[in-house]
Amino acid sequence: NAGVTQTPKFQVLKTGQSMTLQCAQDMNHNSMYWYRQDPGMGLRLIYYSASEGTTDKGEVPNGYNVSRLNKREFSLRLESAAPSQTSVYFCASSERLDNYGYTFGSGTRLTVV
Amino acid sequence: AQSVSQHNHHVILSEAASLELGCNYSYGGTVNLFWYVQYPGQHLQLLLKYFSGDPLVKGIKGFEAEFIKSKFSFNLRKPSVQWSDTAEYFCAVNARRALTFGSGTRLQVQP
Repeated sequence: NAGVTQTPKFQVLKTGQSMTLQCAQDMNHNSMYWYRQDPGMGLRLIYYSASEGTTDKGEVPNGYNVSRLNKREFSLRLESAAPSQTSVYFCASSERLDNYGYTFGSGTRLTVV
Repeated sequence: AQSVSQHNHHVILSEAASLELGCNYSYGGTVNLFWYVQYPGQHLQLLLKYFSGDPLVKGIKGFEAEFIKSKFSFNLRKPSVQWSDTAEYFCAVNARRALTFGSGTRLQVQP
């Protein structure tokens, strides 16, 4: 099915470990986004990529890095995981920045112990 | 900075009751407004959106929302809810270059 695919779906990390969350879309969208969802706080933007080759910080970028590998893929890396990064992470894509028809992935539930 | 406030954090209704979820935003320019829904265990899906024109917009599954510019509001309504409407609802507004979401309202519909 066409859409946004995120891997893994679940992950448990120890404090200080690193990992990369993968995201790929097959809709030929130009723009991609990473959000985190925490209870009572809604979704907060971590990083976004307007187009292949560009990335920009969002509201809560600290502790994260991103790579727009190509038009399809946008990865999120935690270099040294902290318990405060326990969250559900959503990747999304849209045709372009000023087109707000976001398509979301199914999420990655990350626990840092 | 742009922000979105959803004052109802948890709403419990019986089937067939009417629904209104509040959303207020803070944004100095032209706004695009959205409601997204997240059913249990699923990802977010677009419910409806407002870009311009008629301030009363209709979305999927019988939902509608009214943009009131003077009140900076974009409340979501449904005349008669169903058990299948149990979900979390997020209001969102355009912000610089990506959407800013509210904190969400968890709707529980009892049979």
